[in-house]
Amino acid sequence: EIVLTQSPGTLSLSPGERATLSCRASQSVSSSYLAWYQQKLGQAPRLLIYGASSRATGIPDRFSGSGSGTDFTLTISRLEPEDFAVYYCQQYGSSPLYSFGQGTKLEIK
Amino acid sequence: EVQLVESGGGLVQPGGSLRLSCAASGFTVSSNYMSWVRQAPGKGLEWVSVIYSGGSTYYADSVKGRFTISRDNSKNTLYLQMNSLRAEDTAVYSCARHTARITDFDYWGQGTLVTVSS
Repeated sequence: EIVLTQSPGTLSLSPGERATLSCRASQSVSSSYLAWYQQKLGQAPRLLIYGASSRATGIPDRFSGSGSGTDFTLTISRLEPEDFAVYYCQQYGSSPLYSFGQGTKLEIK
Repeated sequence: EVQLVESGGGLVQPGGSLRLSCAASGFTVSSNYMSWVRQAPGKGLEWVSVIYSGGSTYYADSVKGRFTISRDNSKNTLYLQMNSLRAEDTAVYSCARHTARITDFDYWGQGTLVTVSS
């Protein structure tokens, strides 16, 4: 069973700063099968990144994804006020068929 | 415009059953992979089940043998039949449409709350 572990649990930063969020898999994950989502309070998740590094439609270029194998990273280059939310990584393909990390809360410092 | 609207949640006793519905508009459910994903209060996302466009179904181990995913093509609606409910099944249940890649999700409903308690 693949387990995705996100770190840190909470990240406190100020607008304009750079955010780096980590997602580590217990087994290797194909880069094609790693996605990132943003979820704001009371809202549905929003797909940000798919295939580890491709931005979904309409996602600003301050969001970028990278990584391979067991280590993946979501980077937000310059934080905007609307970026403060919870972020999840998600994998496809191994037992369980789909799974999410436990989330990283990005909060305003 | 793609929309997903869940219904059917509520309070149920341990061991009880509930059927959730997800009414879709703006696309055809049967032509897409569709999943149920749940989120326990204050917790993260947990994938529950998927139904492929071809009809194959898969489940998380935590619900296998108790939950059944299905769809009604004439109503363009997705369902989740939940039996033998446990306290740990308490969560907001959301339906989600898979992207054409099938590996991730592009549209989600707002969810319906299921509370399992005596």
